[in-house]
Amino acid sequence: GAVVSQHPSWVICKSGTSVKIECRSLDFQATTMFWYRQFPKQSLMLMATSNEGSKATYEQGVEKDKFLINHASLTLSTLTVTSAHPEDSSFYICSARSLTRLRETQYFGPGTRLLVL
Amino acid sequence: AQSVAQPEDQVNVAEGNPLTVKCTYSVSGNPYLFWYVQYPNRGLQFLLKYITGDNLVKGSYGFEAEFNKSQTSFHLKKPSALVSDSALYFCAVTVGGGGATNKLIFGTGTLLAVQP
Repeated sequence: GAVVSQHPSWVICKSGTSVKIECRSLDFQATTMFWYRQFPKQSLMLMATSNEGSKATYEQGVEKDKFLINHASLTLSTLTVTSAHPEDSSFYICSARSLTRLRETQYFGPGTRLLVL
Repeated sequence: AQSVAQPEDQVNVAEGNPLTVKCTYSVSGNPYLFWYVQYPNRGLQFLLKYITGDNLVKGSYGFEAEFNKSQTSFHLKKPSALVSDSALYFCAVTVGGGGATNKLIFGTGTLLAVQP
């Protein structure tokens, strides 16, 4: 139980295009989802927290107009990297958390590697 | 401010020997403590957590961790290391009681290398 999927697992795109990454909780309802970014050999940096049906809360220094987050249902959140540039290349990981089941624990997706050329 | 420290960038251990990956934390309030493991190019897998109760917590794959309030530590341990345990380990903390939006604060990670 507590499985989180991400799609796609990797994506290569041209500079200036937009990329959408999906995060799904497969066997539980995720009232809260988190988006992280991880640079090589570094820890996870929290980008934003999203609650179903409301606007995401972005961490300081994260551009909300560049990293659009939508959490329209209890099992799906999306991160759209708009007008991507090479410096946006990174490993993006989502996590999901339920209020009713194993509430204190975040369960992580497998990650999406983005390469912007 | 809440923080987590993993003082060792890398831990080397021979297969069959016991392993310890260190973690200390600093929070105001009651800590919820977690260990996650990350294999190359993969997301994080939950290993174990301490919320309340018994200070010794047992988790997946034979790992355990001991919560020590006086030393503000939550070291990860395993009695006998396997080569397949080689991975990147993250300690994380949040403060309880605030609901599902509590953020996890991660340590910088410790690379565990188990030699055959």
